[in-house]
Amino acid sequence: AQTVTQSQPEMSVQEAETVTLSCTYDTSESDYYLFWYKQPPSRQMILVIRQEAYKQQNATENRFSVNFQKAAKSFSLKISDSQLGDAAMYFCAYRSVASGTYKYIFGTGTRLKVLA
Amino acid sequence: DAGITQSPRYKITETGRQVTLMCHQTWSHSYMFWYRQDLGHGLRLIYYSAAADITDKGEVPDGYVVSRSKTENFPLTLESATRSQTSVYFCASSESRQGYNQPQHFGDGTRLSIL
Repeated sequence: AQTVTQSQPEMSVQEAETVTLSCTYDTSESDYYLFWYKQPPSRQMILVIRQEAYKQQNATENRFSVNFQKAAKSFSLKISDSQLGDAAMYFCAYRSVASGTYKYIFGTGTRLKVLA
Repeated sequence: DAGITQSPRYKITETGRQVTLMCHQTWSHSYMFWYRQDLGHGLRLIYYSAAADITDKGEVPDGYVVSRSKTENFPLTLESATRSQTSVYFCASSESRQGYNQPQHFGDGTRLSIL
């Protein structure tokens, strides 16, 4: 069975600085999808970025980018020019392609604090 | 507006009571999911559904019942609530186009407290 691990329960970053949130996963599959979701205090789950495992190029969405290391099974999220609005819980998620069930497996989350 | 709606947003009930959490989506997504979110556990899948009348267990299904008579609705019922079911519950939906990287779209969650 697949697992997703976020080893940093909490991180802090100074406003305008860069922070990297780590995520590792375990799978025997070669094709899958990876996601980062943001959960602000409002409790909404907001998709930040997604990555297809068969693509070598790292996904980027404005200030958010990932470092996808398939061999190492690592999928870290880099937030550049951090803003106060980035403060939230961040969840890494894995979705199998082969199973066809579209289920996600989530990590336990990293709480990001942004310091003014 | 199109989207996914959960109700109620907050609910307090007593142990032993039956409670139903509602989920409605307007996208006609085939897949729907129920998760519970607890500190230290992230989101754990309770049940999911691939289509109307097709449901399957997730990671933590005990004590929960689901139904999906219509594509757009996926209610979650706690038949006899226990304190351990105090949690925040999220409903999500997703398209099912094979080979296409479809994300899940989440409702705003229901905070359920069982006294």
